[in-house]
Parts: sequence; structure tokens; C-alpha cells
Amino acid sequence: GIQVEQSPPDLILQEGANSTLRCNFSDSVNNLQWFHQNPWGQLINLFYIPSGTKQNGRLSATTVATERYSLLYISSSQTTDSGVYFCAVGSDKAAGNKLTFGGGTRVLVKP
Amino acid sequence: DAMVIQNPRYQVTQFGKPVTLSCSQTLNHNVMYWYQQKSSQAPKLLFHYYDKDFNNEADTPDNFQSRRPNTSFCFLDIRSPGLGDAAMYLCATSRDWAGGLNEQFFGPGTRLTVL
Repeated sequence: GIQVEQSPPDLILQEGANSTLRCNFSDSVNNLQWFHQNPWGQLINLFYIPSGTKQNGRLSATTVATERYSLLYISSSQTTDSGVYFCAVGSDKAAGNKLTFGGGTRVLVKP
Repeated sequence: DAMVIQNPRYQVTQFGKPVTLSCSQTLNHNVMYWYQQKSSQAPKLLFHYYDKDFNNEADTPDNFQSRRPNTSFCFLDIRSPGLGDAAMYLCATSRDWAGGLNEQFFGPGTRLTVL
């Protein structure tokens, strides 16, 4: 199956700082999603981005499908950005186009 | 708002006592998924339905079963919960499998405790 690696595993930021999270994957995909898991455990959809670039407020993401990686940018970080960020990929080679998750990046934003 | 709903949010059961978790969706999506997430780990797919067609992951224990009586509802049955089944259980839906229609939307999860 597809392998998904996220880096860094942990990130500590001062409020207001910018950061980049990376997701590498091992095969072609037709689904790539970024999630933020809040303290209550809910996965919040950030981006659906199998290719290209998208922006939503202080967050943006870029996926370079040919090179098999995706980046999530957080600008002007706030304490509410704390939590775990997951990258997950799916492929039509996998039954049900199931999502395979990376190990996550745990982000702590300090005031 | 269209959404994925899971009940209950917290479930406590005893070792070996069957438990059922429920998921409903107002998105009218064809595909429904159940994931298990243990502490400090990534979610892991247990099984999924495309409409009424059930698909089990190869490494999902037999102790886990699922039912989808209609488009809107899906249930996860754990026949004899063990201590190792304590986890967050996440339900998700997608419109379809094809690219562009396969974005998955997650419910808030049910946190299962086994005593």
C-alpha cells in the first residue's frame, strides 16, 4: 500500500510565527486531504488538494503530485492552531479509495 | 447544515459486553467508512460501504461488524470488546470513489472506554 510520511513530528511555535508542514507519499494519488484534529478528537477538513495550490485565510497548501509531496503553510500562527495535523492520501488502486494517514505533526503554539 | 453525526460521543462498556456505535449522515453520500484511532496514532480504516456493498479491511478483527440499513445510517458493532479496543471510532463519508468526488468528511467521533 501507499506509504505516507509527515515531517516534522513535533513543532513548537511562538504565536505569530509562520511554519511549513510536509507530507511525502510513495505512489500516485487521486485524493490528498489535510486535516486538523482538535483537542476533542474531531478531524476538521482543511484542504482537499490532490494537486495544485489552495488558500484559506492564514492557511495554504500546495501539492506537487509528480514529485509526490504536499506542503501545508500556516502563517501568523495563533494558539487555536495547536493540535495534530494529518495528511491523508487515497488512490483508485486501493479498494474504496481509502485514506491512508501519515503519522501527523503535533503543533503547539505558545502565546 | 449537511453533516456527519455520531452517537454517542462517549461510550463506556465492560469487557466482553457487546456495544454498538452509530453514524448518520445528511450529505446523501454513497460511501461510508469506519476508522479506529488509538491514542497518539493515526486513524486506521476498519471497513467501508459503497451503497450496500460491504468491504472489510484484511486486518480488521472478526470482533468488529458493521451494518448499513439505508443510505443515511451505518452502525459499528463490537461483539466482545477487549481492553485493546478502547479507542476513538470515526465515521466518514464521501460522495463517491472517483477523483473529484472522493473527499472524505468526518463525524466528531465516539470515544470508547472498556472497563
